[in-house]
Amino acid sequence: EVQLVESGGGLVQPGRSLKLSCAASGFTFSNYYMAWVRQAPKKGLEWVATISTSGSRTYYPDSVKGRFTISRDNAKSSLYLQMNSLKSEDTATYYCARHLYYYSSPFDYWGQGVMVTVSS
Amino acid sequence: DVQMTQSPSYLAASPGESVSISCKASKSISNNLAWYQEKPGKANKLLIHSGSTLQSGTPSRFSGSGSGTDFTLTIRSLESEDFAVYYCQQYNEYPPTFGSGTKLEIK
Repeated sequence: EVQLVESGGGLVQPGRSLKLSCAASGFTFSNYYMAWVRQAPKKGLEWVATISTSGSRTYYPDSVKGRFTISRDNAKSSLYLQMNSLKSEDTATYYCARHLYYYSSPFDYWGQGVMVTVSS
Repeated sequence: DVQMTQSPSYLAASPGESVSISCKASKSISNNLAWYQEKPGKANKLLIHSGSTLQSGTPSRFSGSGSGTDFTLTIRSLESEDFAVYYCQQYNEYPPTFGSGTKLEIK
C-alpha cells in the first residue's frame, strides 16, 4: 500500500525557515517524480514544487521560487521541502504527492498533510 | 498561468441522483485534466485523468468528459460516500493549476 507521511510542520515567525519531510513507502520511490502541493485555510490547492526521479531537475511556481527548495533522498525514500524567508501567505497545509508518470502528470497519491503557520 | 474555473462551487443532491460539475480552462489544455476527491481526514484521491480515464479503484458511476477548454465530471446514482469536495486540475503546462473546488453535500 502506497503511503506518504508528512512531518515537520508547526508555527514559525515570518522571515524564518522550516523544513518539511515526507516518508514514502509501499512503492519504489526512486522511480517517481514527487511534488509538494499546499492549501491555505479556506482556499484551493496550489502546486508548490516538483522534483525529478534523480533529483537533478526541480520546478517551482513564481510564488516560492528562490525561497523554497525541494529535495529527495532515494536511499531513505524521503522527500523534503526547505522553506526559507517564510511569509504569512505561506500559511497552509502542505501535502506530499506522487506524480502519476513524469513531471507533467497528475498526482496519484497524496499524504494527509502537515500544517504550517507563519505568524509572529 | 492557465486559470481553471469550476462550477458550481456548492451542490446539494440526494443519494441516487446524478450530478455534474463543470471545469473550464482559460486556454486549451487538450485532455490533460484530472479530477480529485477530497474528504475530511483522508488523503486526496485521484479519480480521473486524461479527461476521461478512470484511475484504478474509481467506481464506474464516475465519468469524465471534455477536451480543449470545457470538461465535466458526472457522478451517477450518488452514494453516501460520494459527498465530498471535488477539484479539477490541468497538467498540460507548468505551473499545474487547480479549480477552486465544488462541495457536494447531501440534500
